[in-house]
Amino acid sequence: DGGITQSPKYLFRKEGQNVTLSCEQNLNHDAMYWYRQDPGQGLRLIYYSQIVNDFQKGDIAEGYSVSREKKESFPLTVTSAQKNPTAFYLCASSIRQGGHQPQHFGDGTRLSIL
Amino acid sequence: AQSVSQHNHHVILSEAASLELGCNYSYGGTVNLFWYVQYPGQHLQLLLKYFSGDPLVKGIKGFEAEFIKSKFSFNLRKPSVQWSDTAEYFCAVNGGSGGSNYKLTFGKGTLLTVNP
Repeated sequence: DGGITQSPKYLFRKEGQNVTLSCEQNLNHDAMYWYRQDPGQGLRLIYYSQIVNDFQKGDIAEGYSVSREKKESFPLTVTSAQKNPTAFYLCASSIRQGGHQPQHFGDGTRLSIL
Repeated sequence: AQSVSQHNHHVILSEAASLELGCNYSYGGTVNLFWYVQYPGQHLQLLLKYFSGDPLVKGIKGFEAEFIKSKFSFNLRKPSVQWSDTAEYFCAVNGGSGGSNYKLTFGKGTLLTVNP
């Protein structure tokens, strides 16, 4: 079945440590996105990518970094500069950037600070 | 900048009650509107969407939404809810036509609890 796979499901980070969240899709979608979900805050866009080797900052990019070396993969690194990283992280993809094409979501990664 | 407002943070209903969840957006141009649902322990999934044509759109599981341009609203409705509708519901909008606007802006969500 086609879909989006996020791993791990749960992740713990020590203070001062960088961690990388994985996102893989086999839907052959061009665009991929990373969101952060906090209780009562909805989803906020961290980074997005339209095509391979290209990505742009979203609304809350500070303290995060991404890469898009392959169409299928869009990993997110939460750096030590992100002072409040505890959240639920969602990866999504769509056929093309924006427009009326809906985004498809993964199951998410819950990140906690030790 | 786009913004989306969902009026209710938490709605509690009994089974068979009617549901209406409010969603208002701020954006002056052409918009694409979405409702997503997140059932407990599951991933976010599309409930319905509007981008053109009939402003009354029907989605999965008996849900529908009406786009009222003059009111900048896209309220979600269901005539009779079931216990299985317990979930968090998110309204989202992006602007522009022809795939020109990437940015999907989400509301803060409404948690719906349906009591049996």
